[in-house]
This record gives sequence, C-alpha cells and structure tokens, in this order.
Amino acid sequence: NAGVTQTPKFQVLKTGQSMTLQCAQDMNHNSMYWYRQDPGMGLRLIYYSASEGTTDKGEVPNGYNVSRLNKREFSLRLESAAPSQTSVYFCASRAGTGSNSPLHFGNGTRLTVT
Amino acid sequence: GENVEQHPSTLSVQEGDSAVIKCTYSDSASNYFPWYKQELGKRPQLIIDIRSNVGEKKDQRIAVTLNKTAKHFSLHITETQPEDSAVYFCAAIGRAGTASKLTFGTGTRLQVTL
Repeated sequence: NAGVTQTPKFQVLKTGQSMTLQCAQDMNHNSMYWYRQDPGMGLRLIYYSASEGTTDKGEVPNGYNVSRLNKREFSLRLESAAPSQTSVYFCASRAGTGSNSPLHFGNGTRLTVT
Repeated sequence: GENVEQHPSTLSVQEGDSAVIKCTYSDSASNYFPWYKQELGKRPQLIIDIRSNVGEKKDQRIAVTLNKTAKHFSLHITETQPEDSAVYFCAAIGRAGTASKLTFGTGTRLQVTL
C-alpha cells in the first residue's frame, strides 16, 4: 500500500516548455487534489476532482490543466511553463466528498522554471 | 468561500515548554478541522483532527480545542521536544457546496530550542 505516489520528484523546465505531473493513489479514494506550496504562502489549491469524471478549479488554476484519468490517477499539466510556476507541487487524496476525512499527501514534486 | 487565518507565523519555545497555535475560520458551516505537521523537505502529515460535535481532543502531548461560537480552534503541544520543530498547518472544510475542499492556514514555523 504505497498511498499517494507522485512523479517526478524533481524537474527543471525552461520557460515555455510543457510537462505533466503524475499522481496515483491506491487507497480507493474518491477525491483528489493538486496543491502548490510557495514559501510563506502555505498550501494553495490549484484544481481538485471530487469524484471520478469531475474536475473543478481551486484558488490558483491559471496556467494549469488537469485530467482525472480514472479513480486512481489525477494528472496536472503545465502547457507553457513560466518562472512564476516554480514551486513544490503536492497531490493529495481523501475518501469522499461529503466525509470528514483527512487529506493524504504525496511526497511532492519540486519544479523549477528558468 | 472559506477563509482560514493562522497565528503566529513563527514560534520559538524552549524544550519542555508548551506551544499554542491558533486558527480562525470564516464559514460557520465548517465541520472538520485537521492539523498537519510538515518537516523540512517532507510532505504534510496529519497529526490530529477534530469534528464540530466535540470541543476538545487529545493524543498524548497534542491537543486541539474548538470553539464553534467564536469560530476558532487551537493546537496545543505540551512538553515540547526538538523533534516537534516543523511547520504546522491548520485547515477547515467548508459547507456542503464546497465539501471537497480543505482550506489551509498559512502555517506556523515552530522551533524548539534546547
């Protein structure tokens, strides 16, 4: 039982390049989330998927797209990376939309855009 | 939407002393309040949570209190140890329409000195 797995762990991009961050969970959770973490800014929600087949914008969605590929996988895509997207990205999951259950986080992806 | 404020942003205590971190939230319908600990370079991990039908919860040296009338909740760490040094985040989950989203505070960096 690996929990939430994110790949890659580190990535360096040049401005304008694209990439996809992968996330998978093996806990049979319904809801999945992408957060970014910047120094002094806490965790800010980019996009989330309340259940398979649905996605919604969070607090800071501009410059990102997501795909809920199936119940296990939720990917985050940067179409044209910008230096402002340099951050640590965390994927997380939780059991259900209505349940008061905690988020389980992956180990994060450290992205640098030059 | 939900807004969570967290204070202080940094906290330094001597080993053995107590530490208190406070959070306020804006949505009176919020009913779930987890606390996360994040060590340097690691993912946030749940340390304790409380639901709105209880006022206090303890787990060894950690306790959380909730005042729904005043819309604030606090984390109490007693007999602090060096390994308690980390960044702590509070969070709240909003009303049914936003039940999928946890809103985080901006974090408190706790340093326990010898």
